[in-house]
Amino acid sequence: DAGVIQSPRHEVTEMGQEVTLRCKPISGHDYLFWYRQTMMRGLELLIYFNNNVPIDDSGMPEDRFSAKMPNASFSTLKIQPSEPRDSAVYFCASSFPVDRGAGNTEAFFGQGTRLTVV
Amino acid sequence: GQQLNQSPQSMFIQEGEDVSMNCTSSSIFNTWLWYKQDPGEGPVLLIALYKAGELTSNGRLTAQFGITRKDSFLNISASIPSDVGIYFCAGQRNAGNMLTFGGGTRLMVKP
Repeated sequence: DAGVIQSPRHEVTEMGQEVTLRCKPISGHDYLFWYRQTMMRGLELLIYFNNNVPIDDSGMPEDRFSAKMPNASFSTLKIQPSEPRDSAVYFCASSFPVDRGAGNTEAFFGQGTRLTVV
Repeated sequence: GQQLNQSPQSMFIQEGEDVSMNCTSSSIFNTWLWYKQDPGEGPVLLIALYKAGELTSNGRLTAQFGITRKDSFLNISASIPSDVGIYFCAGQRNAGNMLTFGGGTRLMVKP
């Protein structure tokens, strides 16, 4: 299995531009997560989907952020307009529920997209 | 911000030494996971714990799920240079698969 695939690996953009990050989850996984990692705040969950439906987007910082999952094999995270404080590494992760009596999971992460907004 | 308190934040040790790190929470988690992140990469799962009191090993790594379900520790025995990285604990409360991450422990190993 190729694992979770994210693109691009690096993105440098000017403030005010639109940025789109892409993710292909592991085939057969029905949960997809978007995380943001910064030195100050660590790993933060932004939004997650189950069977392509957004379940919890309470971690999305503000209306400039949006995420979609049009099908089981593709998701996007869009920032419009981007700001310097959005600079971070954005991770996509996927999982399927491993039934051990408590709905547990093991999330597998992509390599991340390092976003720099100047 | 994080709801899991992970300590220590960083460790600088000599090759061959044992390492211990832990996570605590004010609330209960039903699953504890330990991840390692190498520079420029995403976190990779090391050990998953599903039952309170569970002790699980993976090579030189040993992790335990605290009996109160509010804490977990990870031990690395006989550290080697490739153990360098950031180690994260993560907890899950209920079905729904949301993970909450600790702040990470940055491990540096001196050959």
